[in-house]
Amino acid sequence: GQQLNQSPQSMFIQEGEDVSMNCTSSSIFNTWLWYKQDPGEGPVLLIALYKAGELTSNGRLTAQFGITRKDSFLNISASIPSDVGIYFCAGEETSGSRLTFGEGTQLTVNP
Amino acid sequence: GAVVSQHPSWVICKSGTSVKIECRSLDFQATTMFWYRQFPKQSLMLMATSNEGSKATYEQGVEKDKFLINHASLTLSTLTVTSAHPEDSSFYICSARTMSAGVSYEQYFGPGTRLTVT
Repeated sequence: GQQLNQSPQSMFIQEGEDVSMNCTSSSIFNTWLWYKQDPGEGPVLLIALYKAGELTSNGRLTAQFGITRKDSFLNISASIPSDVGIYFCAGEETSGSRLTFGEGTQLTVNP
Repeated sequence: GAVVSQHPSWVICKSGTSVKIECRSLDFQATTMFWYRQFPKQSLMLMATSNEGSKATYEQGVEKDKFLINHASLTLSTLTVTSAHPEDSSFYICSARTMSAGVSYEQYFGPGTRLTVT
């Protein structure tokens, strides 16, 4: 079945630093999504990407849909303590199909 | 944004009993709802997909007779864990999505339900 490789698994950074994480797939996705999950909560959608090459921002977050449709990255600029959490990428093969999730990136921000 | 609620947020039950978890889309009609299970320090694993008014589609390895899913209306889906065992202890998360004119919109997730089976 589909697999998404997400890296890094965890990151420990200082407040104010920029962060980058990415996902790669063995096959093509038509939609890439990035979610954040806080402890004991469900994932919250951060950014949705629908076109190859698309670069989308949401505040300090920027995500790109890779040209090959097999990868995506998420950047967080000027990190703050509330950025702590687990970030998941997810891909959708076709509109309305199931989501495949990456393994997650645990982000820790030291004040 | 769209809001999805789950009830209860946590539940403790004894081995052998059944537990029902509700998932509601509060401000939109969900043509499709999904149920996921998440173990500690792991990603979300899709259990089943349910469309309003039809039987759920279960992922490989998920027992449909053990995890009963009902999607009776466009705003409510329920997951019943029957004859629960300690290994069923997990974080159960639902999500909801709507489609219009063949266009699918993003999945919105509920806050999750922590199930502990003793």
